[in-house]
Amino acid sequence: QVQLVESGGGVVQPGRSLRLSCAASGFSFSTYVIHWVRQAPGKGLEWVAVISYDGSHKYYADSVWGRFTISRDSSKNTVFLQMNSLRAEDSAVYYCARGDPTWFFPYLDNWGQGTLVTVSS
Amino acid sequence: QSVLTQPPSASGTPGQRVTISCSGSSSNIGGNYVYWYQQLPGTAPKLLIYRNNQRPSGVPDRFSGSKSGTSASLAISGLRSEDEADYYCAAWDDRLTGHVLFGGGTKLTVL
Repeated sequence: QVQLVESGGGVVQPGRSLRLSCAASGFSFSTYVIHWVRQAPGKGLEWVAVISYDGSHKYYADSVWGRFTISRDSSKNTVFLQMNSLRAEDSAVYYCARGDPTWFFPYLDNWGQGTLVTVSS
Repeated sequence: QSVLTQPPSASGTPGQRVTISCSGSSSNIGGNYVYWYQQLPGTAPKLLIYRNNQRPSGVPDRFSGSKSGTSASLAISGLRSEDEADYYCAAWDDRLTGHVLFGGGTKLTVL
């Protein structure tokens, strides 16, 4: 069955970096778009970034543009989210989710369990 | 404040029909598909409706979606206690840099 497992969360000081991983299994990884979505404690969902099936196209939310980088490694069936210059407002549970095979529309049919990132001094 | 506007809360009694609205603009809902997600307490979101009114396999037909102009709605009929959750609409936006939007979410309470 389709499975997405996030890892790499933790406590980090403001201004520092963190890299999240999303390990995928149970489907043809290299043919699907993958999204990152976050949820601050007690708040709603916020879309963060998306990467095309082959890694050639990427989009980011304005709130993370220039600080976060999404990438994928098909040899490891893994998507990464490199987060730099972290701010307190980046504190959230970060989910990765499988998207559509072709389009970047918010069709997210399988989600991971999430990994918690806390930015605090 | 989200570009897709949802009421923060909704409620109903078991067996009732409730609707949750999602209001946008011509650059998002008006010209693109709408998606709905259900998030039960302490769990990851789950895709409930895609392409305005399509249900993934396994989603009961008590859940239905519709779209008219720049607004969309999620309807839940035969309300059950296990439907108590947060519900989010989502859409692609042609004008935003990142393009993908979520609504602010609606907390549904089953009285």
